[in-house]
Amino acid sequence: DAGVTQSPTHLIKTRGQQVTLRCSPKSGHDTVSWYQQALGQGPQFIFQYYEEEERQRGNFPDRFSGHQFPNYSSELNVNALLLGDSALYLCASSLEPGLAGYNEQFFGPGTRLTVL
Amino acid sequence: AQKVTQAQTEISVVEKEDVTLDCVYETRDTTYYLFWYKQPPSGELVFLIRRNSFDEQNEISGRYSWNFQKSTSSFNFTITASQVVDSAVYFCALILRGNNDMRFGAGTRLTVKP
Repeated sequence: DAGVTQSPTHLIKTRGQQVTLRCSPKSGHDTVSWYQQALGQGPQFIFQYYEEEERQRGNFPDRFSGHQFPNYSSELNVNALLLGDSALYLCASSLEPGLAGYNEQFFGPGTRLTVL
Repeated sequence: AQKVTQAQTEISVVEKEDVTLDCVYETRDTTYYLFWYKQPPSGELVFLIRRNSFDEQNEISGRYSWNFQKSTSSFNFTITASQVVDSAVYFCALILRGNNDMRFGAGTRLTVKP
């Protein structure tokens, strides 16, 4: 059973460019969350997708956008890249918790983005 | 707003020593979940434990144990008889019921020397 997979592993871009990162959730999971982890810091929540819609968003500008496909996979897009966008981008998948309150998130290995 | 503080940035111990990683959290909500994750150099976050706010029982899993105290808003993690393979960055995290924004602490880098 494959876990959460992300591509690419590493990426180098220059300021002002746009980037797309991809995530395939763990089999059976329908919810995908994205996190940004700057060097030496904890992950920060960007947004979560469920049923192909953005369900909740953290404190990130509109340059960060996403998409979820019918097969539950997801993309994170970042426009007009800044040097400060350099980070490890983590994807996490889970089952929609419903009334249970919470379901465990499984994290992928991340995509390391470097903006020059 | 919720917040997680891990005051220890880095800890270095010698193999077989016991080590405790501290975690203090802040929230006004009464229903929440606390977590510990391990992040090895590969980058993937590895789930270690989850606790909900109504379950203050301490837990032991092999060499790992967790001490949850609501009175001090702490959720500390102890590794007994540490091993070199325990070297990693450890994160404490908090999520509120009905909220999808998991808040992480800044992490504690643990180095276990042989």
